[in-house]
Amino acid sequence: QSALTQPRSVSGSPGQSVTISCTGSSSDVGGYNHVSWYQQHPGKAPKLVISDVSKRPSGVPDRLSGSKSGNTASLTISGLQAEDEADYYCCSYAGSLYVFGTGTKVTVL
Amino acid sequence: EVQLVESGGGLVQPGGSLRLSCAASGFTFTRFWMTWVRQAPGKGLEWVANIKEDGSDQNYVDSVKGRFTISRDNAKNSVFLQMDSLRVEDAAVYYCTREIWGPEYWGQGTLVSVSS
Repeated sequence: QSALTQPRSVSGSPGQSVTISCTGSSSDVGGYNHVSWYQQHPGKAPKLVISDVSKRPSGVPDRLSGSKSGNTASLTISGLQAEDEADYYCCSYAGSLYVFGTGTKVTVL
Repeated sequence: EVQLVESGGGLVQPGGSLRLSCAASGFTFTRFWMTWVRQAPGKGLEWVANIKEDGSDQNYVDSVKGRFTISRDNAKNSVFLQMDSLRVEDAAVYYCTREIWGPEYWGQGTLVSVSS
């Protein structure tokens, strides 16, 4: 039940794209197509932005997209905007339980 | 509109107990697994426990097994987390979530502090 590995921080200028990686193992990320991503602004509850690797819930802009290759999932934010500055967490099903990533702070320069 | 409202947090001494509650509304409660997730101050998210739609199956992260118990009352659209033998490291904001292959909707959280 080790946390999934994410970069501590990524940054980009408005309009640029950034990608956050989420690395696990064949027991979690690599073994199931149930990886979700959450955005959390300071002092707020997390918000689901991607489910099942690449599905966007209603209301989430299509600038956010998810993918997976092997044991690594990724979240890409295209056309970076000021409101994208937040912490982002991945989460994977791991067979009867779930495991979160270590979290990534996205900074808009 | 899906709403999840947590309550029951507070300050407790190490070794003490606390019972968290989560009142759900805006959806058919009996159709969903429910989950508790916690976040220690300044730290990341940690999945804690979940419970099946009818309450017949529960899962826990290793660090709380034998100390925490998740339960639900489908007649009252509520889910609970009984926390016993609390440790300093259990201090966190505890979130109640509706689950569909991962936490989906989240409450605003309730703060649990563990200190002597």
